[in-house]
Amino acid sequence: DAMVIQNPRYQVTQFGKPVTLSCSQTLNHNVMYWYQQKSSQAPKLLFHYYDKDFNNEADTPDNFQSRRPNTSFCFLDIRSPGLGDAAMYLCATSMGLAVITDTQYFGPGTRLTVL
Amino acid sequence: KQEVTQIPAALSVPEGENLVLNCSFTDSAIYNLQWFRQDPGKGLTSLLLIQSSQREQTSGRLNASLDKSSGRSTLYIAASQPGDSATYLCAVRVTNAGKSTFGDGTTLTVKP
Repeated sequence: DAMVIQNPRYQVTQFGKPVTLSCSQTLNHNVMYWYQQKSSQAPKLLFHYYDKDFNNEADTPDNFQSRRPNTSFCFLDIRSPGLGDAAMYLCATSMGLAVITDTQYFGPGTRLTVL
Repeated sequence: KQEVTQIPAALSVPEGENLVLNCSFTDSAIYNLQWFRQDPGKGLTSLLLIQSSQREQTSGRLNASLDKSSGRSTLYIAASQPGDSATYLCAVRVTNAGKSTFGDGTTLTVKP
């Protein structure tokens, strides 16, 4: 059974048109992460939530926002997508922040295309 | 700032060969190191996690080692199969910040 679910799997949007990507989890994990991965590159952490506490990476553009209305769901909002935002967006979860045995579980990703 | 490097970027081997993938990191103050597999256009699948106090972990044909003092980890794949073809990424989890730094990955092709 899928533990981290991302919807949609493929999203096409127009330049400047806001878009929202969705992530849900059945693991009841405290931490949810959003990564951006461009072709042949390492996933780049955008931000993460520990419970309701939001932690933004210093170099994440203001164009990217996130919401976590409850434990199970987390959303990535791109307010004005540019061509450079076309990428795979990966959601991940983990039990906690300082758990040495903690594994990150990833969803299948959402491929975003910006026209 | 933690930097993670994976060499080589791509590797092609004949089926049945044993192989080693390398991961190096600059800051030894890590919580754990995780190896992932990524198939084209898909998400990441966790293969092995090594805690900072451990030296190696094994799962089936996979063996991952960790040498914190030298900032290195290796992923050994025994008797490679075409189904092993994928990109393999290592991720280093730093201290208690909950964040992981990824390498760019090694793309493995196993030829029948």
